[in-house]
Amino acid sequence: ETGVTQTPRHLVMGMTNKKSLKCEQHLGHNAMYWYKQSAKKPLELMFVYSLEERVENNSVPSRFSPECPNSSHLFLHLHTLQPEDSALYLCASSQVWGERNTEAFFGQGTRLTVV
Amino acid sequence: ILNVEQSPQSLHVQEGDSTNFTCSFPSSNFYALHWYRWETAKSPEALFVMTLNGDEKKKGRISATLNTKEGYSYLYIKGSQPEDSATYLCASAGGTSYGKLTFGQGTILTVHP
Repeated sequence: ETGVTQTPRHLVMGMTNKKSLKCEQHLGHNAMYWYKQSAKKPLELMFVYSLEERVENNSVPSRFSPECPNSSHLFLHLHTLQPEDSALYLCASSQVWGERNTEAFFGQGTRLTVV
Repeated sequence: ILNVEQSPQSLHVQEGDSTNFTCSFPSSNFYALHWYRWETAKSPEALFVMTLNGDEKKKGRISATLNTKEGYSYLYIKGSQPEDSATYLCASAGGTSYGKLTFGQGTILTVHP
């Protein structure tokens, strides 16, 4: 148990569906992240929220829409996805101050399949 | 080096063997180097966060070294056990105020009984 919980663990959705991934952290951290892992690729940073403000959007298509309503919760809203968006989506949190940050604590991920 | 690179991509060893793998990262704009262990069906878990050139950290049978001037870090596992089987990730943190990590592709370690 890392203190970061993601739901659902598995998701199958059609290309016309709308779904959301949820992440919750119980660690009191001030930064939260969405990462994507596709087959045989490194973990890719998608979005960063620091103090509830989005500070990085790593050229992610607009069919992925993040939301951070408070420092403990992070969502990734999905709509009109493509089959190539099938991947493992990981949420993480850390404590940052200036250029310093703790290690990242990860959730177990959501395995997304787009059909 | 523009990206974070890890080698080898995969490694098979026998129980009891000692092993090591490499992480190369951009030496400019460096702030910290992270190592994570990622077991199947679990979350990646931090092993070390290293910031100082020449630093060496140890946790049980696992240790890591850091050379920030030439941009590499080594992870060592002494007397590998089957439970050490996992993907080992390194990530470079640098230059932002929000903990951005750039990951390598990982080294998949399999320890055979």
